[in-house]
Amino acid sequence: QKEVEQNSGPLSVPEGAIASLNCTYSDRGSQSFFWYRQYSGKSPELIMFIYSNGDKEDGRFTAQLNKASQYVSLLIRDSQPSDSATYLCAVNPNNNDMRFGAGTRLTVKP
Amino acid sequence: GAVVSQHPSRVICKSGTSVKIECRSLDFQATTMFWYRQFPKQSLMLMATSNEGSKATYEQGVEKDKFLINHASLTLSTLTVTSAHPEDSSFYICSARGLHRGTNEKLFFGSGTQLSVL
Repeated sequence: QKEVEQNSGPLSVPEGAIASLNCTYSDRGSQSFFWYRQYSGKSPELIMFIYSNGDKEDGRFTAQLNKASQYVSLLIRDSQPSDSATYLCAVNPNNNDMRFGAGTRLTVKP
Repeated sequence: GAVVSQHPSRVICKSGTSVKIECRSLDFQATTMFWYRQFPKQSLMLMATSNEGSKATYEQGVEKDKFLINHASLTLSTLTVTSAHPEDSSFYICSARGLHRGTNEKLFFGSGTQLSVL
C-alpha cells in the first residue's frame, strides 16, 4: 500500500464548478497534511495545510481532514481555468520528511 | 513567505560530466533540506534528506556515491550528480524546513532544476 494515495485523474470540471480532490494516507500517526499545486515544469507551491479534524477554509479553497478515516480532501470553489494544474497531497508522518501522493491532474474548462 | 533559491534552473550537459545544483534558504535558517526528483507526469520522489553538519540520509535505491549531498550551512545545501548519464535526466527539486516556528512545519520549495544529459 502506498503511503499517500490520490486518484491521478484527469479530473475535469467546468469553470465556476466545485472541484473535489481526495487523498488517503496509511500512517495513522501522521499529524500534518498539505496540499500543493504544481504547474507543468514548475515547482510545487503550498496552497493549504491542515492539522486538526474538520474543515479549514482559505478563500476559494477548503481543506477537510478526517483522521479516523485517514482521509484528506481539497475543495476548490468557483473553479477557474488558472486552477488547472496537478494537485499534490502531502503527509508529514514523522515530523521530519514529507511524503507525497502521485498527484491529481485537474483541468478547468472555460 | 520563506524563499528557497535553487540554481541553476536548467542544465544541459554531456554524458560523464558532473553537475552541481545549489539550494539556498534566503530569509530563514533551514535545519533540514530535502532533495526530490520528478520524472515527467510522475510525482515527487524523495532522494535524500540532509541535515546541516551531518551526512545525508538516502532513500532506498538512491546511490549516495552518485548523488553527493553537502549541507554545509543552515542556508545552503548542494546536490552533485556525478558522472551523469541520460537516465539521470530529470527535474530535481530541493525543499527546506525551517528552524523556527512559522517555518518548521512546512516545506518551502526551490524552483527546480531541469537536467538534460546528452
